[in-house]
Amino acid sequence: DGGITQSPKYLFRKEGQNVTLSCEQNLNHDAMYWYRQDPGQGLRLIYYSQIVNDFQKGDIAEGYSVSREKKESFPLTVTSAQKNPTAFYLCASSIRGARGTGELFFGEGSRLTVL
Amino acid sequence: AQSVTQPDIHITVSEGASLELRCNYSYGATPYLFWYVQSPGQGLQLLLKYFSGDTLVQGIKGFEAEFKRSQSSFNLRKPSVHWSDAAEYFCAVGGTDKLIFGTGTRLQVFP
Repeated sequence: DGGITQSPKYLFRKEGQNVTLSCEQNLNHDAMYWYRQDPGQGLRLIYYSQIVNDFQKGDIAEGYSVSREKKESFPLTVTSAQKNPTAFYLCASSIRGARGTGELFFGEGSRLTVL
Repeated sequence: AQSVTQPDIHITVSEGASLELRCNYSYGATPYLFWYVQSPGQGLQLLLKYFSGDTLVQGIKGFEAEFKRSQSSFNLRKPSVHWSDAAEYFCAVGGTDKLIFGTGTRLQVFP
């Protein structure tokens, strides 16, 4: 079945460590996105990519990095520079319609806890 | 600027009651519009979408939404709420290169 796979589902990290969250899609979508969600909060966009080897900062990119070497993969690294990394992270992909961004397909999320 | 407003942060209804979640948007052209639902600890699932055509859109789980251009609204409705509908609901508009989400409405259902 086509979809978005995020791993790991749960991750614990010590302060000062970098951690990479995986996101893979087999939907053949060009665009991919990373969102952060805190308790009781909405979705905040971290980074997004419209095509391979290109990506743009979202609203809260500081302390995060991404790469887009393959169409199906868009890993997110949470660096030690991110002051409050404990959160729920969601990856998504989409196709683009004639008038704008089409439907987003979401993964199941990765919960990162910093100890 | 493009934006989406969900004025109700938290709504509580009794099981079997009708439901309407409000969504207003600001967008220059005729937008793509979406409603998503999120259960705790899960990803977002698409309930329904509007691209063009009939302004009353049917979705999954018995939900529907109506696009009203004159009011810049896309409200979500359900005639009879079930306890399993308790979740967070997000409205979104399709921007140029990303979706613009509202802040969400948390729905609580009492038996």
